[in-house]
Amino acid sequence: EVQLVESGGGLVQPGGSLRLSCAASGFTFSSYWMSWVRQAPGKGLEWVANIKQDGSEKYYVDSVKGRFTISRDNAKNSLYLQMNSLRAEDTAVYYCASTSSQCDYFDYWGQGTLVTVSS
Amino acid sequence: QSALTQPRSVSGSPGQSVTISCTGTSSDVGGYNYVSWYQQHPGKAPKLMIYDVSKRPSGVPDRFSGSKSGNTASLTISGLQAEDEADYYCCSYAGSYTSVFGTGTKVTVL
Repeated sequence: EVQLVESGGGLVQPGGSLRLSCAASGFTFSSYWMSWVRQAPGKGLEWVANIKQDGSEKYYVDSVKGRFTISRDNAKNSLYLQMNSLRAEDTAVYYCASTSSQCDYFDYWGQGTLVTVSS
Repeated sequence: QSALTQPRSVSGSPGQSVTISCTGTSSDVGGYNYVSWYQQHPGKAPKLMIYDVSKRPSGVPDRFSGSKSGNTASLTISGLQAEDEADYYCCSYAGSYTSVFGTGTKVTVL
């Protein structure tokens, strides 16, 4: 059974940093692109970033470029999102998701972790 | 990277059909046959329902179908059931390994 379990969310002040983790099991993690998708409270879904199987390619939505960094450790079956210079508008539930080879859909999702940016 | 446009809500009685539209541009929906749809119940993670415009993952009922014409994609739910009441989001590949989601549609079963 595919499982994706996010952790690392919490309350952080504006300008602060946070590192999210996603532990994967039940599939060959190293064979999949992986992504982060977020959802602000009461709002819609927003793709945030994705990373190629070997970590050699990374892509970001414009609003997080230069502030967020996606990474992975295939030996630990884990995906990460380092978030710096956090803003109030980054407040959201962050989901990790396994991603198709064409990066055109997200087939399995974690339960999400809530990040709240507030003073 | 503007969100795709979906109706805020649609509704139907059990057994009826409802269709949700998803309008983008030639840079996303119209440019690729890479539209997917997700169902999200309150407090839950999204679930993939349709990918590559009209393909259904294993386990998704055939009541769910997808199509596309030009810059607009559509999700149709036939034989509406109570458990179909949820939020639905479309998503399109937008080139350069990026994706854009729709604004979301609340489906209500009357």
